[in-house]
Amino acid sequence: AQSVTQLDSQVPVFEEAPVELRCNYSSSVSVYLFWYVQYPNQGLQLLLKYLSGSTLVKGINGFEAEFNKSQTSFHLRKPSVHISDTAEYFCAVTMDTGRRALTFGSGTRLQVQP
Amino acid sequence: GAVVSQHPSRVICKSGTSVKIECRSLDFQATTMFWYRQFPKQSLMLMATSNEGSKATYEQGVEKDKFLINHASLTLSTLTVTSAHPEDSSFYICSAGDSWGHEQFFGPGTRLTVL
Repeated sequence: AQSVTQLDSQVPVFEEAPVELRCNYSSSVSVYLFWYVQYPNQGLQLLLKYLSGSTLVKGINGFEAEFNKSQTSFHLRKPSVHISDTAEYFCAVTMDTGRRALTFGSGTRLQVQP
Repeated sequence: GAVVSQHPSRVICKSGTSVKIECRSLDFQATTMFWYRQFPKQSLMLMATSNEGSKATYEQGVEKDKFLINHASLTLSTLTVTSAHPEDSSFYICSAGDSWGHEQFFGPGTRLTVL
């Protein structure tokens, strides 16, 4: 079984400041890693994913994440946030074999302040 | 990119009635569809995995007789909440996976309110 931990339930940050949303995972097998964003009353939008290859993954809206196998982490970063980035962010993992159901972290609320 | 739709987007019903939610993959064939449930300010919890033409696999603690899932074709899965009660009020989200990728494509969700 795998699990995902998002240590920060809320992250307040000022506009144009950098931000890092932390994600750690636990799994006995190899995993694929994802970050999703959810705006109020909407479904999930994929920001980026790590399947294999380069550990630094670039996604949409200026976000990037780095896979660190030794630390079992997949932290999400953005060098300069905008008000429109205010949303809920979910880290998720799935096994690289099998049924591919996603296991989600508890989510981090990014609140960008002017 | 792949598009998944859900219908309805919002439903309000009386306690004791049944509600059907449809999940459709619009531009690809979804061999597997997943149903998630999200309570306010919480994460998504997997309810069940449905494979086209076979019975759904339910997660522990999810009542299969209450949450009926049918995956009759490669583009359509339905979730029926039978005899709904106020505690079933939630945001239900489906996702669909294709046969070769590892990504899931999410629908926009259905807000169910049971009075």
